[in-house]
Parts: sequence; structure tokens; C-alpha cells
Amino acid sequence: GQQVMQIPQYQHVQEGEDFTTYCNSSTTLSNIQWYKQRPGGHPVFLIQLVKSGEVKKQKRLTFQFGEAKKNSSLHITATQTTDVGTYFCAGQTSGTYKYIFGTGTRLKVLA
Amino acid sequence: DSGVTQTPKHLITATGQRVTLRCSPRSGDLSVYWYQQSLDQGLQFLIQYYNGEERAKGNILERFSAQQFPDLHSELNLSSLELGDSALYFCASSVGGEGDTQYFGPGTRLTVL
Repeated sequence: GQQVMQIPQYQHVQEGEDFTTYCNSSTTLSNIQWYKQRPGGHPVFLIQLVKSGEVKKQKRLTFQFGEAKKNSSLHITATQTTDVGTYFCAGQTSGTYKYIFGTGTRLKVLA
Repeated sequence: DSGVTQTPKHLITATGQRVTLRCSPRSGDLSVYWYQQSLDQGLQFLIQYYNGEERAKGNILERFSAQQFPDLHSELNLSSLELGDSALYFCASSVGGEGDTQYFGPGTRLTVL
């Protein structure tokens, strides 16, 4: 079945360092979404990418969708302690309505 | 606050029992999704309903069932509970189309003893 893998599983960074998480799907995706889940909280939608090669920015966050629409990345520049949490990608394949969530990357930021 | 409500917040029960989790979607949303998140794990998609009809099914056990009512709230029924069913159960809602943003509720933490 369809799988979505994320790496790394965990990442500890010093405040001010950059962070990147990668998401890889076994199948071509129609779109991909990114969510953030704070410790003890629920997933919160960050962004959706639809087009091949698409790049979107939100302040210090940069999201990319691969040309083949099978992978994606989230890059955070100059991390802050408020960036702590688990980042999930969620892929949807054309013709289906369900989202397959990636395994998540847990980010810890050391002050 | 996402606008999605889930009750109860916490549930502690024994093996073999049956429980019902309830979700009210955001106003105007027609789709409801159910996810299971075990400790330190990712989100496992269970099932999706759209306007009362089942639309997509994931890795939902036969002991689990769900439905969406005419007022669009949804219930997830878990029966013959096992220790391994202990998890956070999230409900999410969306308008209903492909590529929708999902808004997650606060979750129900189920503990099976």
C-alpha cells in the first residue's frame, strides 16, 4: 500500500540553527499538506502544495514539492524555541480522499 | 481553537469493553475524518465520512465502526477493547473536497486497562 516516510525521526538543534525535514512517498501525490503538532496538542495545518516543483514560504518556513510530486521538504531558518513540535507531511493521491500521514519529525530546539 | 469539538477528553476503561467517541465538525464542514495516534507514533487514518456517507477507509479494525449523523456530527465506536487500543483518537473536519485543509479537534485520550 501507499507509504509516506519522513526523515529524520528526531532532530535536536541549537536555537538559531536551521532545520529540514524530508517527506518521501511511494506513489505520486496529487497534493501534500504539512502539519505541526505541539507537545500535548493536536495537528495544526501549515500549508498545502499542489503543483510540481512548487515552493512556498511562510516567514522562516520554506516548503517544497518535488518535480515528480513524490517528495517534499520543510525548511526552517534560524529556529526558535517556539518551533518545537512534531512536523507531519500528509499526502493525498489523485482520486482518493484519504490522506496518508508521514511518520513525523520531532524537533527539539535548545536555547 | 479549531472549531472541532471532541468528547470526552479522557476515557479510561477495561479490556473487553465498548466505548463511543463523539466529534462535532466545524460549522459548514461536511467531511469528518478519524485518526488514531499511539504513543510517540504518527497519525493512522481510520475512516472518512462525507455528508453522512462513508467516503474513504483506512486501517480500521473490524472491532471499530463509525457513522456520521444527519446533523453531521460523528461517532467512533470501539468494541472488545484491547490494551493496544490505548491511544489518542483525533477527529478532523473539512469542507469536503479533494485537497481540503483538515481542522483537527483536541482529541480523546483512551486508556484501556
